[in-house]
Parts: sequence; C-alpha cells; structure tokens
Amino acid sequence: AQSVTQLGSHVSVSEGALVLLRCNYSSSVPPYLFWYVQYPNQGLQLLLKYTTGATLVKGINGFEAEFKKSETSFHLTKPSAHMSDAAEYFCAVSAWNTGFQKLVFGTGTRLLVSP
Amino acid sequence: DTGVSQDPRHKITKRGQNVTFRCDPISEHNRLYWYRQTLGQGPEFLTYFQNEAQLEKSRLLSDRFSAERPKGSFSTLEIQRTEQGDSAMYLCASSLDRVSNSPLHFGNGTRLTVT
Repeated sequence: AQSVTQLGSHVSVSEGALVLLRCNYSSSVPPYLFWYVQYPNQGLQLLLKYTTGATLVKGINGFEAEFKKSETSFHLTKPSAHMSDAAEYFCAVSAWNTGFQKLVFGTGTRLLVSP
Repeated sequence: DTGVSQDPRHKITKRGQNVTFRCDPISEHNRLYWYRQTLGQGPEFLTYFQNEAQLEKSRLLSDRFSAERPKGSFSTLEIQRTEQGDSAMYLCASSLDRVSNSPLHFGNGTRLTVT
C-alpha cells in the first residue's frame, strides 16, 4: 500500500523567497511520485513527476523536486516565489505495477505568498 | 486538446435526491478516472475505466454510487439517495494508456452540496 504525508498544511513565504514544500511517501514497491497544483475552484494541474532515472526533476513554473529514496522524500522547491504561486499543492504516489494510475494523494499544503 | 470537461460545475441538492454528473475526457484518452475531494483533503480514488470497461472500484464507492462509460467516451457518475456526507468536489481525470504511467489530466470538478 502507498501513502503520502505532507508536512505543514500551510506555508507562508514572501515574494522572492525560497519555496519548500515537504512530502514523504511510503510505498512497498518502487514509487512514481507527482506534484499537482490546485487553484481555487479548479481541478489539479500536474507540476512535475518522477518515474525512473534522474532523481532531480524539473517541472513547470520554475518548480523542481528531488527524489531521495533513503529519506523517502520528494520535496518541492522553487528558488523565488511569485504571487501567482499562491495555491494548494498536492503530493501523490502511485505504484508502478498497478497497471494504471491509481494516485494516492497527501492532504495538501496551501502556499501563501505575501508581497 | 480542449481538456477534460465536467458538467455541472456546481450542484445543490436536498438529501435523498438523486444526482448525475458528466465527464468528457480528452478525446484520444481511453483511460478515465473519478476522484472525490472533501474539504481540506486530497482527492481520493473512486473508480477507473479503460475504454468502456470499469476495471476497479474503491470501497468508497457505496451501492448508492454508480459510474458508467457506455461508449468509451464520456462518463457519468450517479449518486442515489444523496446524504450530507456526499458533499464534496467530484473530479474526473483522463489519460492515455499507450504511454506508461502517462499523467492524469483533471477537469475542474463538480462541487456537490447536499442540504
């Protein structure tokens, strides 16, 4: 079975500051890991994903994440926050052998960006 | 690519009534998923279709819930005898199966409020 823990339901940063959103996962098989962003009253948009290969993954809007197997982590970072980054961020895991994308999501982290 | 479309965006109903939601996936996508998202939580998997076949259902999908995808294109999710606990955002997503673990594309969801 898979699970995801997102530390911090809310993260506040100033515009231009580093963004760090934490995600730890549990998986009995090699995981596929994802970060999605959700703006109010909208669906989820894929930011980036890790499947195999390079452990540092770059996504859209300047975000990146690093898969660290030893730490079972997949933290999301962005060097400089922008006001438009304010949204809810979800980390998700799926098992590579499920045959289809059965994503297990964390509870989300709301990113607040102040001017 | 017009994206995943869901209708209606909002539905308010009285307890005990039946409701039906529609999802139109991206046209070439043959995999379709339903997720449910309650307030303050991440989305939870409900069910999955490959073409017209419903291949997996979550334990969350009680007997009052039924999903169909009759021609392998659009899908409907019906909830009979709605309860207040059914209030949530219902998200539809689609993906291609020709690409292993291709990302899910989510619609903007249908927000259900049961009074």
